[in-house]
Amino acid sequence: AQTVTQSQPEMSVQEAETVTLSCTYDTSESDYYLFWYKQPPSRQMILVIRQEAYKQQNATENRFSVNFQKAAKSFSLKISDSQLGDAAMYFCAYNQGGSEKLVFGKGMKLTVNP
Amino acid sequence: GAGVSQTPSNKVTEKGKYVELRCDPISGHTALYWYRQSLGQGPEFLIYFQGTGAADDSGLPNDRFFAVRPEGSVSTLKIQRTERGDSAVYLCASSTSGGSPDEQFFGPGTRLTVL
Repeated sequence: AQTVTQSQPEMSVQEAETVTLSCTYDTSESDYYLFWYKQPPSRQMILVIRQEAYKQQNATENRFSVNFQKAAKSFSLKISDSQLGDAAMYFCAYNQGGSEKLVFGKGMKLTVNP
Repeated sequence: GAGVSQTPSNKVTEKGKYVELRCDPISGHTALYWYRQSLGQGPEFLIYFQGTGAADDSGLPNDRFFAVRPEGSVSTLKIQRTERGDSAVYLCASSTSGGSPDEQFFGPGTRLTVL
């Protein structure tokens, strides 16, 4: 079974600084997708960014970018110019190609200090 | 347009009681998912509907849990003989057609507390 590990339960960053959230996963599949979701106190999961495993280029969405290391099975999220609104729980998730379910890590709480 | 909505927002019940949790997906989304998020954990998959049928119910923990989607839109998650271990946030998500890499849009969840 696929597993997703987020080893850092909490992190903090100063406003306007850069922070990197780590995630590793375990799979024997070659066709899969990786996601970062944000969950604010409202509980609603919001997609931040996603990466297709077959793409070598790292995904980027505005201030959010990933460092996808396929051989190392690592998928970290970099948040640049951190804003107060970035404070939330962040979850790394895995989706196997052809499957519908998302497999989530335990999450990481990000605090942004003014 | 409206997002995924879930009712009730919070539900408190007593051990042994029956509960129903409702999910209204985004209009036109054929795929619907239920996840359970226990305290301090990430969401865990429960069941996936494609239209009216449950295409994958491998995440349902036992036969006390059941879900329906009779008309291919609204879904209800039903839990019989609730136990304290069922306390969690139950999240619903929907997507346009299901399957990767469709984005799953999540609702705000229902927090279930079993006393």
